[in-house]
Amino acid sequence: GENVEQHPSTLSVQEGDSAVIKCTYSDSASNYFPWYKQELGKRPQLIIDIRSNVGEKKDQRIAVTLNKTAKHFSLHITETQPEDSAVYFCAALGGSNYKLTFGKGTLLTVNP
Amino acid sequence: NAGVTQTPKFQVLKTGQSMTLQCAQDMNHEYMSWYRQDPGMGLRLIHYSVGAGITDQGEVPNGYNVSRSTTEDFPLRLLSAAPSQTSVYFCASVSPLGDGYTFGSGTRLTVV
Repeated sequence: GENVEQHPSTLSVQEGDSAVIKCTYSDSASNYFPWYKQELGKRPQLIIDIRSNVGEKKDQRIAVTLNKTAKHFSLHITETQPEDSAVYFCAALGGSNYKLTFGKGTLLTVNP
Repeated sequence: NAGVTQTPKFQVLKTGQSMTLQCAQDMNHEYMSWYRQDPGMGLRLIHYSVGAGITDQGEVPNGYNVSRSTTEDFPLRLLSAAPSQTSVYFCASVSPLGDGYTFGSGTRLTVV
C-alpha cells in the first residue's frame, strides 16, 4: 500500500519567515495530494491540494509543488504569521481507490 | 447542510466495555472512512466503505467493526474496549472525485 513520509516533524520559524514542509510517497499511481492544517482540538482542514497533472499550485501565501518523477511534494508558506502555528499533514490518494494515506504531521510554530 | 456529524465528542470507557461511535453525512457521498489519530502517528485508516453494504479494512482494523446499512450512516463499533484504543477518532466522507475529504469534528475516547 501507499506510504507517505513527512519531514520535519517540528519546525520553528520567526514571524515573516518562510516555512517548507516536505513529503514523499511510494505509490506511483497516487494522483491527488492534499495538505491539511489542524489546530489544537480541531478537525483537519484542507488548505491546498494538487493533482498529479500539475506541478505547482499557489493560493495567496501558500503554495504546493509536486515532482512526480521523484515522488515528492512540498508545502511552502511565505510571510508566516502566528496564526499559521498548527500541525500540518500531507496526504496522498491512491490511484485506484479513495483511500487517503497521511504523513505523520509537522508541528509548525511561528514565533512573534 | 451539516456535512459530517460525529457523536459523541467525548467518551470515557472502562476496559472491556463496548460502544458505538456514530457518523452521519448529508452530502450523499458513497465513500466514507474512519481514522484514528495518535500523537506522532498522524491519521491512520481503520475501516472504510465505498457504498451501502460494502466495507473493508484499513491499516489498523483490529478491535473495531463497521457496517454501512445506509449511504448516510457509518458507525464504528468497539466490541471490547482496550486502553490501546484511547485515541481521537475522525470520520470522513469523500466526494465522488476522490478529493474533498470532509472530516467530522472528532470523538476523543479514553479507555481506563
